[in-house]
Amino acid sequence: NAGVTQTPKFRILKIGQSMTLQCTQDMNHNYMYWYRQDPGMGLKLIYYSVGAGITDKGEVPNGYNVSRSTTEDFPLRLELAAPSQTSVYFCASSNKGDEQYFGPGTRLTVT
Amino acid sequence: GENVEQHPSTLSVQEGDSAVIKCTYSDSASNYFPWYKQELGKRPQLIIDIRSNVGEKKDQRIAVTLNKTAKHFSLHITETQPEDSAVYFCAATLSGSARQLTFGSGTQLTVLP
Repeated sequence: NAGVTQTPKFRILKIGQSMTLQCTQDMNHNYMYWYRQDPGMGLKLIYYSVGAGITDKGEVPNGYNVSRSTTEDFPLRLELAAPSQTSVYFCASSNKGDEQYFGPGTRLTVT
Repeated sequence: GENVEQHPSTLSVQEGDSAVIKCTYSDSASNYFPWYKQELGKRPQLIIDIRSNVGEKKDQRIAVTLNKTAKHFSLHITETQPEDSAVYFCAATLSGSARQLTFGSGTQLTVLP
């Protein structure tokens, strides 16, 4: 199993551009999550999903959108990128249990 | 919603000494408390967790204690080694929720040789 994979690893965006961060898991987990981690800070939940077709907002959803058309994939969309969205983005999955498995992260810079 | 506070933000110990990191949570309904270790530039990885029906759990040099009355939980690392140097995060989650984790702000642990 590859576990949780994320692409790209790094990205630089200009203000106002859009992009999609990809997340895929091959563990057949129902629950998936997107977090952002600002320098020197803990992780904050952006969006989560409890299964295909079901998504919900976390603590910091503004400026982001998600979709969950399959169990495996949970892409995060940034529209009109802003400098405040410069961060490291982690995707995670869980099998209705408690342990969350994290992907390797995407480091995003908006200039 | 849940709020998790973590202390200290930085901690330096001599190799072989013990390290203790403390967290408090606000929602008495929280029932699962994991600890994650994050090395520089890497993903968070679960090192130990505890559920609200247990007061203490150990795994080799790592232990976690939970005081539900005071809404405190702590990570204890004994016989620290240089490879224990990392950022440690505590988290809490509610029963019956989608298991969303609320994280503390992290503790940078440095083990000095």
